[in-house]
Amino acid sequence: AQSVTQLDSHVSVSEGTPVLLRCNYSSSYSPSLFWYVQHPNKGLQLLLKYTSAATLVKGINGFEAEFKKSETSFHLTKPSAHMSDAAEYFCVVNEENTGFQKLVFGTGTRLLVSP
Amino acid sequence: DAGVIQSPRHEVTEMGQEVTLRCKPISGHDYLFWYRQTMMRGLELLIYFNNNVPIDDSGMPEDRFSAKMPNASFSTLKIQPSEPRDSAVYFCASSLVAGRNSPLHFGNGTRLTVT
Repeated sequence: AQSVTQLDSHVSVSEGTPVLLRCNYSSSYSPSLFWYVQHPNKGLQLLLKYTSAATLVKGINGFEAEFKKSETSFHLTKPSAHMSDAAEYFCVVNEENTGFQKLVFGTGTRLLVSP
Repeated sequence: DAGVIQSPRHEVTEMGQEVTLRCKPISGHDYLFWYRQTMMRGLELLIYFNNNVPIDDSGMPEDRFSAKMPNASFSTLKIQPSEPRDSAVYFCASSLVAGRNSPLHFGNGTRLTVT
């Protein structure tokens, strides 16, 4: 069975400082991994995805994530936080062992950005 | 493209009433998903459709919940009778194809409050 653990429920940073949102996964098969962002009163938006190509994945808004199989991690980073990055971030894993898409969402990390 | 469109954005109803949530997926997307988001349980997959056919409804909490997709451009999620514990944000999402590389596109959600 697949699962994903987001290690921090809240992360607080100052504008202009680096962002690190941590995610560990468990999967019996080669997983696909995603990060989604949810701004207040909005639906989730895809930030980036890993699908067994390059292990360092670049996404929108300057975010990137690195797939580390040995550590079963897929942490999300950004060199310099912006106020508009304040949102909730979800790490998501997908196993395609049945041929149908079924995503498992983490519990989310709320990113707070202070001036 | 207008994206996934959900209506209404907010719904307030009394316990025992019937509630119908609506979704229009992105044109050409073969998969449609209904999710529920609460503080306690996070994001839960309720049901998903492929080419208008329900594939997996194991996440539907009770018989009070039902979902239909009469055509490729419209789906409903109905709760009858509604209960206060059904209060949550309900998201509809669509996906182009099944598989590891296909992200979900979410609507902005319907915030349901049952009093």
